[in-house]
Amino acid sequence: SQQGEEDPQALSIQEGENATMNCSYKTSINNLQWYRQNSGRGLVHLILIRSNEREKHSGRLRVTLDTSKKSSSLLITASRAADTASYFCATVKGSARQLTFGSGTQLTVLP
Amino acid sequence: DTAVSQTPKYLVTQMGNDKSIKCEQNLGHDTMYWYKQDSKKFLKIMFSYNNKELIINETVPNRFSPKSPDKAHLNLHINSLELGDSAVYFCAIGTSGGLRETQYFGPGTRLLVL
Repeated sequence: SQQGEEDPQALSIQEGENATMNCSYKTSINNLQWYRQNSGRGLVHLILIRSNEREKHSGRLRVTLDTSKKSSSLLITASRAADTASYFCATVKGSARQLTFGSGTQLTVLP
Repeated sequence: DTAVSQTPKYLVTQMGNDKSIKCEQNLGHDTMYWYKQDSKKFLKIMFSYNNKELIINETVPNRFSPKSPDKAHLNLHINSLELGDSAVYFCAIGTSGGLRETQYFGPGTRLLVL
């Protein structure tokens, strides 16, 4: 079964609005990562937050992590049509560095 | 140059056939992975491999086997293909140690079993 669940499954917003996606996971983690997947393409790493961090920023991205609730959120500010993609959270546990992915959020940004 | 390349990009084949998907990396990372993405976009780890160990997800049928001819390649062999094997298969690379824990994904191979 998937380690994480993401919500919403799909999100449609207007350009310029902010988009927030949430991710929940079940076990302890070393870190949590967010990836983007454009249609028909591979995944691209966006941002990594460690288990001892609570918030991290990268450009228009803001990620939070609440280990007590086993949840994370990804905020994309001032969205653009080019942000249209699927967004996945992934957790890393143990030394194998294997990623366990959430179910993904399909974001559509309307021009 | 693309860090991770996969061939073929598309693969259409009949049930029962044996096929291989190739993965090549040019970043010198020591760990390579295979993931399967189904029609609902669920991504699942299949294997992780470096020159020290192969870790297999226990749910992967033994019809699937990774083979690494050298550190830059990790190919995926699939025997006796079944309809349920239809999916997109992604190769990825990463490091097994240090603080750099992100992974780089290939473009995917879309497998359709008829």
